[in-house]
Amino acid sequence: DAGVIQSPRHEVTEMGQEVTLRCKPISGHNSLFWYRQTMMRGLELLIYFNNNVPIDDSGMPEDRFSAKMPNASFSTLKIQPSEPRDSAVYFCASSLWDRGGYTFGSGTRLTVV
Amino acid sequence: AQTVTQSQPEMSVQEAETVTLSCTYDTSESDYYLFWYKQPPSRQMILVIRQEAYKQQNATENRFSVNFQKAAKSFSLKISDSQLGDAAMYFCAYKPLTQGGSEKLVFGKGTKLTVNP
Repeated sequence: DAGVIQSPRHEVTEMGQEVTLRCKPISGHNSLFWYRQTMMRGLELLIYFNNNVPIDDSGMPEDRFSAKMPNASFSTLKIQPSEPRDSAVYFCASSLWDRGGYTFGSGTRLTVV
Repeated sequence: AQTVTQSQPEMSVQEAETVTLSCTYDTSESDYYLFWYKQPPSRQMILVIRQEAYKQQNATENRFSVNFQKAAKSFSLKISDSQLGDAAMYFCAYKPLTQGGSEKLVFGKGTKLTVNP
């Protein structure tokens, strides 16, 4: 298995632009998670899905952030409009429901200038 | 709310020596998982070891072992025979084992481990 695949690996965009981050979970995993990592706040859970259904989005910072999971093999995290304070590394992870640890993707480093 | 605390922002160890990273957590749950993740400079998050709270035996994975003290809510990671490739950020994490409950993995702030040759 190729693991959790995220794209792009790096993204630099201008303030106000729309940004879309993509994730392909491990085949057979039924839970998917989006995390954000910054020096100040560490690793924060933004949202997670179980069987493609959003379960908890309480970590989504504000309405500028949205996430979708149209099928079991694909998820997106969109920021519109982007702001400099959104600069961070965004991780996607997947797991089997209630089976312990996650498998993380390599992350997307987002820089908003 | 569950919290995870790593009190050592940075640690260093000599190559081939042993180092212990500390972690404490706060929860009212009786069943849960605990994890240690490693994040090298490549930024990939790698699962090092996991422990189910109902198991009294401490988990071991090659040179990595844990000291799980449930009553004290302590979960330390011991790295034996440290290697240069062990240099990384290490994160302690907690997840409840509640049937149908939250899948949230709660992370500590991390400990940066330096291995000196």
